[in-house]
Amino acid sequence: DAGITQSPRYKITETGRQVTLMCHQTWSHSYMFWYRQDLGHGLRLIYYSAAADITDKGEVPDGYVVSRSKTENFPLTLESATRSQTSVYFCASSEYLNTEAFFGQGTRLTVV
Amino acid sequence: AQSVSQHNHHVILSEAASLELGCNYSYGGTVNLFWYVQYPGQHLQLLLKYFSGDPLVKGIKGFEAEFIKSKFSFNLRKPSVQWSDTAEYFCAVMGSSASKIIFGSGTRLSIRP
Repeated sequence: DAGITQSPRYKITETGRQVTLMCHQTWSHSYMFWYRQDLGHGLRLIYYSAAADITDKGEVPDGYVVSRSKTENFPLTLESATRSQTSVYFCASSEYLNTEAFFGQGTRLTVV
Repeated sequence: AQSVSQHNHHVILSEAASLELGCNYSYGGTVNLFWYVQYPGQHLQLLLKYFSGDPLVKGIKGFEAEFIKSKFSFNLRKPSVQWSDTAEYFCAVMGSSASKIIFGSGTRLSIRP
């Protein structure tokens, strides 16, 4: 099915561990984004990518790493998870710069 | 840098009441503006968008928004809300020379049946 999928949907990890959240889209959209959603802060942009091998920092990039070797995938890695990274993470993609972004279902990450 | 402010954090209305949610943005150039909705437990979905042309934009489910350039505002309106409109609403902006969408902090809308 066409769309944007995130995995896992739920993840519990321990402080200090590395964890990777996956995002896959089937539209071949150029742009992909990672946001975190926290109460009182809405959605904050972590990283975004304009094309394969092109990534850039958003509002809150510290502690995160991204890569985009293929157009359809945009994994987000927490190098050493901290409790402050407990959040719901949303991946999104858009075809062009000025078009609608489509969101995945989200990954609820808990760092204990 | 672009930014978005949503001043209403939580709005509570009765069914059939009229709705207006405020959104103000900060950006020095041409902007594209969006309203997204997130129903409980779901992902974000686009309600409406403004790129250019008529500043009054109509979206899905009876929502509309008006772009007022002089006020840097893009307020969301609905003449008569329903219980099913209970959700969180996010305003977002993309500067014409930017390649990222920035969201406001969201407004939670609760509708009393």
